[in-house]
Amino acid sequence: DTAVSQTPKYLVTQMGNDKSIKCEQNLGHDTMYWYKQDSKKFLKIMFSYNNKELIINETVPNRFSPKSPDKAHLNLHINSLELGDSAVYFCASSPGGQGWNYGYTFGSGTRLTVV
Amino acid sequence: GNSVTQMEGPVTLSEEAFLTINCTYTATGYPSLFWYVQYPGEGLQLLLKATKADDKGSNKGFEATYRKETTSFHLEKGSVQVSDSAVYFCALNSNYQLIWGAGTKLIIKP
Repeated sequence: DTAVSQTPKYLVTQMGNDKSIKCEQNLGHDTMYWYKQDSKKFLKIMFSYNNKELIINETVPNRFSPKSPDKAHLNLHINSLELGDSAVYFCASSPGGQGWNYGYTFGSGTRLTVV
Repeated sequence: GNSVTQMEGPVTLSEEAFLTINCTYTATGYPSLFWYVQYPGEGLQLLLKATKADDKGSNKGFEATYRKETTSFHLEKGSVQVSDSAVYFCALNSNYQLIWGAGTKLIIKP
């Protein structure tokens, strides 16, 4: 009955590899997000999709590419991983529209370590 | 642009102490305001929210009042427990996304 689930929870990989993180929500929300949290806990939004349409695309390297096959899924693909990509990545969802005043529901995070 | 400023941490308190974590904001219009909590190794959880001036959000003994005149949304709790140790984030909504503060780490000692 997990509301927002991310896989994998931990990901250790070598520099230069390509990896994907998957996210699924079963809340019926229209909007999904990817955030990066650094070691100082600072949250940076990366992308947001509303009903499969990209609505927020912050300044991130184009090695990062989101994909939303349907409104319940938002995956993050990262090419040519670098040491600086090491962080915790969070997926989140919100009702969207007038419902986004209810706030976001977060996944438990994916800790990415690039070695 | 819209922004959120939180007091720097870590904040270290003894169990049963009174807690205040300051949050002030800059925004056009009347955003909704939120407090989220992140326990170690977990994602963020919505703790409480307020959608208009003078609203008080409350949950799990925590409270925060939306003060338009001082543009503040300070988080308070009368008696903290060790289990309240976490990182607390203040946020406001703007242009269909949340604008986040930097987070304040709270450490409660027995």
